[in-house]
Amino acid sequence: AQSVAQPEDQVNVAEGNPLTVKCTYSVSGNPYLFWYVQYPNRGLQFLLKYITGDNLVKGSYGFEAEFNKSQTSFHLKKPSALVSDSALYFCAVRDIKGYSTLTFGKGTMLLVSP
Amino acid sequence: NAGVTQTPKFRVLKTGQSMTLLCAQDMNHEYMYWYRQDPGMGLRLIHYSVGEGTTAKGEVPDGYNVSRLKKQNFLLGLESAAPSQTSVYFCASSYRDGNYEQYFGPGTRLTVT
Repeated sequence: AQSVAQPEDQVNVAEGNPLTVKCTYSVSGNPYLFWYVQYPNRGLQFLLKYITGDNLVKGSYGFEAEFNKSQTSFHLKKPSALVSDSALYFCAVRDIKGYSTLTFGKGTMLLVSP
Repeated sequence: NAGVTQTPKFRVLKTGQSMTLLCAQDMNHEYMYWYRQDPGMGLRLIHYSVGEGTTAKGEVPDGYNVSRLKKQNFLLGLESAAPSQTSVYFCASSYRDGNYEQYFGPGTRLTVT
């Protein structure tokens, strides 16, 4: 089975401060990992993905994520948060061993205060 | 290039009524998906399709049927709506399988009374 956990329902950060949104996963094979963002009343938008290679992945809007195999984590980070980053963030995983679809986490609401 | 479009945007049904949600994509993607989003539950996969004429069950398929007669369209049907099907429904498509990013439609908000 494949699963993903986002342990925080909400993350609060002040504008200009660094932000981290946590994600851990469970797969039996090797993972493909994704981050998506959802703004109010919109569909999800792709931010970045890890398939193979460099453990640090850079994506849209200045976001990056670090794949850590030993800790089975794929935390989303940004050095300096913007108020416009406030949104719902989803981590998703695919186990390349036998799965062709993604499993999404429950989502983390990021609130950036001015 | 419209991407992924969904119709309708909103719908209110009475228990037992039926309806079909339409998803269309103009990116020539092979894979298409239907998800439902409920508070605190994240996105859950209902059904998906790996190509024209194919469909497969996802995590929560009960009460739903799908069809993919044309590559660009993926229909989600509710034969007899129940209040538990009140949700926001998202369609998505991807070039191929799960290592390609998915492109999402704007969603359909369905209320079953």
